[in-house]
Amino acid sequence: DAGVIQSPRHEVTEMGQEVTLRCKLISGHNSLFWYRQTMMRGLELLIYFNNNVPIDDSGMPEDRFSAKMPNASFSTLKIQPSEPRDSAVYFCASSSIRGGSYNEQFFGPGTRLTVL
Amino acid sequence: QQPVQSPQAVILREGEDAVINCSSSKALYSVHWYRQKHGEAPVFLMILLKGGEQKGHEKISASFNEKKQQSSLYLTASQLSYSGTYFCGTDGGSQGNLIFGKGTKLSVKP
Repeated sequence: DAGVIQSPRHEVTEMGQEVTLRCKLISGHNSLFWYRQTMMRGLELLIYFNNNVPIDDSGMPEDRFSAKMPNASFSTLKIQPSEPRDSAVYFCASSSIRGGSYNEQFFGPGTRLTVL
Repeated sequence: QQPVQSPQAVILREGEDAVINCSSSKALYSVHWYRQKHGEAPVFLMILLKGGEQKGHEKISASFNEKKQQSSLYLTASQLSYSGTYFCGTDGGSQGNLIFGKGTKLSVKP
């Protein structure tokens, strides 16, 4: 299995531009988590999905952020318009629910976003 | 609600032992431990579930005190490869969403 796939790996953009980050889950997994990591704030959960349904988006910073899961294996995180304070490494992670309990999360390699 | 990890950083010589603690102010359903090396993604180490079940690597041990809402990760006979930042993630409601601590940076020197 290729593991969780994220693209792009690096993104440099200018303030005000739209940014779309992509994530492909591990086959057979049904939970998807988006995280943001910065030195100041650490690893923050932004939103997570179970079976394509958003369960908790309370970590999404503001309306400029949106996430979708159009099918069982793919998700996007969009920032529009982007701001310099959005610069961070964005990880997605996938997991599965078995027997009613959650299992380990497998993280993708991350997208390093720089907003100038 | 973010769990508190201690110490923030620790430096070891190869072969020495270390304990990393994770403490929460709310009741926990499970505690997850991850290790992240510089420039890489976090990698799963262990899950400790309410009731005593554990899932993880055989060479890493951890404890979960449900009453005190605390977990400890035990690293024995440390190796250079143990270096990295260790995060605990707490799950308060069996929903699978984790709140991660700020991390403990472990450096193992030859």
